[in-house]
Amino acid sequence: QQPVQSPQAVILREGEDAVINCSSSKALYSVHWYRQKHGEAPVFLMILLKGGEQKGHEKISASFNEKKQQSSLYLTASQLSYSGTYFCGTRVGSSNTGKLIFGQGTTLQVKP
Amino acid sequence: GAGVSQSPSNKVTEKGKDVELRCDPISGHTALYWYRQSLGQGLEFLIYFQGNSAPDKSGLPSDRFSAERTGGSVSTLTIQRTQQEDSAVYLCASSLYFRGGAVDTQYFGPGTRLTVL
Repeated sequence: QQPVQSPQAVILREGEDAVINCSSSKALYSVHWYRQKHGEAPVFLMILLKGGEQKGHEKISASFNEKKQQSSLYLTASQLSYSGTYFCGTRVGSSNTGKLIFGQGTTLQVKP
Repeated sequence: GAGVSQSPSNKVTEKGKDVELRCDPISGHTALYWYRQSLGQGLEFLIYFQGNSAPDKSGLPSDRFSAERTGGSVSTLTIQRTQQEDSAVYLCASSLYFRGGAVDTQYFGPGTRLTVL
């Protein structure tokens, strides 16, 4: 039931782009993206709902493909501050509340 | 405003001892979650409280783990007879609860790092 994230790790230079994928074997109701820096709490980035549109936050955006049960997080023109571990959290079925099942995380390192 | 707070920030205990971890959610948030994060791993769901409803305990790994939430606010996660494999960061999150389809956002606390010797 745990979603699968890919890649597990990525190293970028400042200004480069990256895509992080989150795939589930179950029909998803929503996908929640978080970023966690070392030693800190996960910080919310965005939620995508089934039937919803692509979301964006500055140079970070995400999409949700219901048919493929997959969400992708797009980081464009990456900055040093983007470094951290990115987690997708998913809710399955028709529930809009309750526990999130998180992927194993994708570690992103942005170098100068 | 104040975020989710957790205490203690670090806890070192001996195998076999009981520990209590505390979570203070954001004021007004009716939903509260506990997750566990082992070194280099993802977030593992433990338990979820929503208002006066029965908690979702489906993630508790054994009967040594229990949690309660008093007065719909503060929550305590208790681990009895701790084992070395219980060593992890325990994260608490809270959210507003919406009826009718809106989806909540979970806000995480800084976590309690538990080390069992």
